[in-house]
Amino acid sequence: AQSVTQLGSHVSVSEGALVLLRCNYSSSVPPYLFWYVQYPNQGLQLLLKYTTGATLVKGINGFEAEFKKSETSFHLTKPSAHMSDAAEYFCAVRYSSASKIIFGSGTRLSIRP
Amino acid sequence: EPEVTQTPSHQVTQMGQEVILRCVPISNHLYFYWYRQILGQKVEFLVSFYNNEISEKSEIFDDQFSVERPDGSNFTLKIRSTKLEDSAMYFCASKSGKETQYFGPGTRLLVL
Repeated sequence: AQSVTQLGSHVSVSEGALVLLRCNYSSSVPPYLFWYVQYPNQGLQLLLKYTTGATLVKGINGFEAEFKKSETSFHLTKPSAHMSDAAEYFCAVRYSSASKIIFGSGTRLSIRP
Repeated sequence: EPEVTQTPSHQVTQMGQEVILRCVPISNHLYFYWYRQILGQKVEFLVSFYNNEISEKSEIFDDQFSVERPDGSNFTLKIRSTKLEDSAMYFCASKSGKETQYFGPGTRLLVL
């Protein structure tokens, strides 16, 4: 079955530290890959996406993610965390242009002052 | 920038009552979706809609659920007889062709 695994339901980093949120997908066919962010009591906002081409994609708010086919991974990183980055982050996949999005279980990012 | 809108933002209803959640997708989009997120859990796909018919639905989307595009702008999700476990945040999404799905802000449904 197609699935998305996010390692760590909760990640806490210090302000200014590196942010690394892990995501792995299960598929023999590379999917479209997404990271969404959800701030408290708000909807889902697209951070970045990978469809084809360059495997390192840059998104909003200084986030980036690298698609590694050999590792079936799409980890999200940010060099320096900011207090405003505290939110829930969802990795997601889609296997065709019209199909549903399959979400991971989410990782809650906390930022320590 | 165009965006998906949803009304109401919050809905409280009694168990067994019917609710209709409304969405206005982005105007030139052709594919429409409903997802839900039970509190503290991940976002789950409910149904996709294209060319005036359901193209895919999950096992969650049983006979109590229905979707409709009554006019050229609205996309609705109806729950005929709500259950306690229907309490969740419901997200509408839309897209055009191969583009990314854009999500609305959600409707928080509470069934008492």
